[in-house]
Amino acid sequence: QSALTQPRSVSGSPGQSVTISCTGTSSIVGGYNYVSWYQQHPGKAPELIIYDVSERPSGVPDRFSGSKSRNTASLTISGLQAEDEADYYCCSYTGGPVVFGGGTKLSVL
Amino acid sequence: QVQLVQSGAEVKKPGASVKVSCKASGYTFTDYYIHWMRQAPGQGLEWMGWINPNSGVTNYAQNFQGWVSITRDTSVSTAYMELSRLKSDDTAVYFCARGPRISLIVVAPGRWFDPWGQGTLVTVSS
Repeated sequence: QSALTQPRSVSGSPGQSVTISCTGTSSIVGGYNYVSWYQQHPGKAPELIIYDVSERPSGVPDRFSGSKSRNTASLTISGLQAEDEADYYCCSYTGGPVVFGGGTKLSVL
Repeated sequence: QVQLVQSGAEVKKPGASVKVSCKASGYTFTDYYIHWMRQAPGQGLEWMGWINPNSGVTNYAQNFQGWVSITRDTSVSTAYMELSRLKSDDTAVYFCARGPRISLIVVAPGRWFDPWGQGTLVTVSS
């Protein structure tokens, strides 16, 4: 069981917005701004979509946004598209070990 | 472009060791951390450890200390992950990934991972 808790699945229709939560503790997520998010399509390697809580790497659409409140980080995907259907993982670095969330499967209905 | 290319799939017997390589191109290998993660079939991501390719300093997850070894060969811009005493539940896809630029000012090796290698399937079966 991961120290970062994500919902197992979320779903939305094309054009809608969805938010994926990632809940940790004050010592994981809460006190640090090194939260990142990864998108993984079936059979593929993960790809970085958010780092430092809310920063987007170049090339990542601005439909993807990240935020944090206390011990919970969130990934919001607006204007859902079919290609957004994938698994999403949050990740926290607190100066020691790296911790991943258990992953959330996003279904675009 | 920045790329990490991993070695091919492996089949090993329980108790054996496996060594997976990760060749970097498109950037200066010694300027960025390299991390290793794994993903068991149908499961999530698990961080294993990192190496500073410049100094060779490593840091391992507690679960893997004593049976994983991450090394590098700077002459061929390649990092390696060796896992010993394999068990059937070590069957997984193993990924390498580039971490942040190595810096003396902001030391945050686990800040992000980009890009990732394509993954190497290691199957442990008798």
